[in-house]
Amino acid sequence: DAGVIQSPRHEVTEMGQEVTLRCKPISGHDYLFWYRQTMMRGLELLIYFNNNVPIDDSGMPEDRFSAKMPNASFSTLKIQPSEPRDSAVYFCASSLNLQGNTEAFFGQGTRLTVV
Amino acid sequence: AQSVTQPDIHITVSEGASLELRCNYSYGATPYLFWYVQSPGQGLQLLLKYFSGDTLVQGIKGFEAEFKRSQSSFNLRKPSVHWSDAAEYFCAVGAGNTDKLIFGTGTRLQVFP
Repeated sequence: DAGVIQSPRHEVTEMGQEVTLRCKPISGHDYLFWYRQTMMRGLELLIYFNNNVPIDDSGMPEDRFSAKMPNASFSTLKIQPSEPRDSAVYFCASSLNLQGNTEAFFGQGTRLTVV
Repeated sequence: AQSVTQPDIHITVSEGASLELRCNYSYGATPYLFWYVQSPGQGLQLLLKYFSGDTLVQGIKGFEAEFKRSQSSFNLRKPSVHWSDAAEYFCAVGAGNTDKLIFGTGTRLQVFP
């Protein structure tokens, strides 16, 4: 397996525009996580899915953020409209589960810059 | 709720020196504990994990960590640091009855030749 695949690697957009980040988890993994990493806040969990169902979205900063997982092999994180303070690195991760001998595998991240 | 504290934001060591990165957690029961490493421009990679059993855990790249329940700590160690170990290190805790991982704020390691 190629690991967790995120696209794009880099995104520069203007304030007010819609941004969509994409993630392909490792095949067979039941859990998918979206994280945001900034200098100020470190690594924050935004939302996670179990078997394509959102379980906890309490970390989503506001209504401008939304995430979907239409099937087991694809998830999106959308920001509409984007703002400069959304600039960060967004990571997607997947895992079999966390209640056992397993780990979360991270993608390489999408570096988002909103100007 | 569980939480993780990494008291050292930035650590600098000389190549060949020993290393200890501190991690303290807060959780009522026995936690699942992890150390991840992030190289520049990369995602996070698991170094090691503790679920139960032997409190001294061996990981990849020569790292080890010791779970000390009495101190609520899970410090990461390496006897001799290599220049390639320069990276950011994250401690994380997972609760047994939920599926979330909570990460610490990270410790940036700089290695001088």
